[in-house]
Amino acid sequence: QVQLVESGGGVVQPGRSRRLSCAASGFTFMSYAMHWVRQAPGKGLEWVAVISFDGKNKNYAASVKGRFTISRDNSKNTLHLQMDSLRAEDTAVYYCARDQFILMTNIEYWGQGILVTVSS
Amino acid sequence: QSVLTQSPSASGTPGQRVTISCSGSSSNIGRNYVYWFQQLPGTAPKLLISTDYRRPSGVPDRFSGSKSGTSASLAISGLRSEDEADYYCSAWDDSLSGVVFGGGTKLTVL
Repeated sequence: QVQLVESGGGVVQPGRSRRLSCAASGFTFMSYAMHWVRQAPGKGLEWVAVISFDGKNKNYAASVKGRFTISRDNSKNTLHLQMDSLRAEDTAVYYCARDQFILMTNIEYWGQGILVTVSS
Repeated sequence: QSVLTQSPSASGTPGQRVTISCSGSSSNIGRNYVYWFQQLPGTAPKLLISTDYRRPSGVPDRFSGSKSGTSASLAISGLRSEDEADYYCSAWDDSLSGVVFGGGTKLTVL
């Protein structure tokens, strides 16, 4: 079965960086686009970024563009989110998610999520 | 402010039919598939409806999705206490080149 397991969360100071990782298993990782979605405490879902199956195309939400970088290692079945210049408003549970198709469409599977808290 | 618009709350009694609506625009719902996600308290979202109306394996047929123009709806029939959750609509947005979500509808089973 599809499994997505996030790691790298925790407390980080404003202005600092953090790298999230997502270990994927149970499917052919290189055949799907992948997403990051976040949810601030008590708030709704906010899409963060998407990367194509081959890593060549990446799109970002306006709120993180220029600060966050999505990447993938198809040889290790791993997705990453490099988060720089973190702000208090980036505090959220971050979900790794698999697209339904090889192209960027929408989400079919979600990880369990990992909390990132930006605070001094 | 979410790109897709949902009512913040809905409610019904056990056995009733409830409908949750989602409004968008030509750049998202009008041109791309609608997805619905269910988020039970304290858990990750789960896919409920894909590509406008398709139910993934394991989703009861009490849940159904529909779309017309730039709006979509999720209907839940035979309401059960375990349906109490947050429901989000979503679609790809061609103008933003990304996924957009509704603000979520909190469903209460009275």
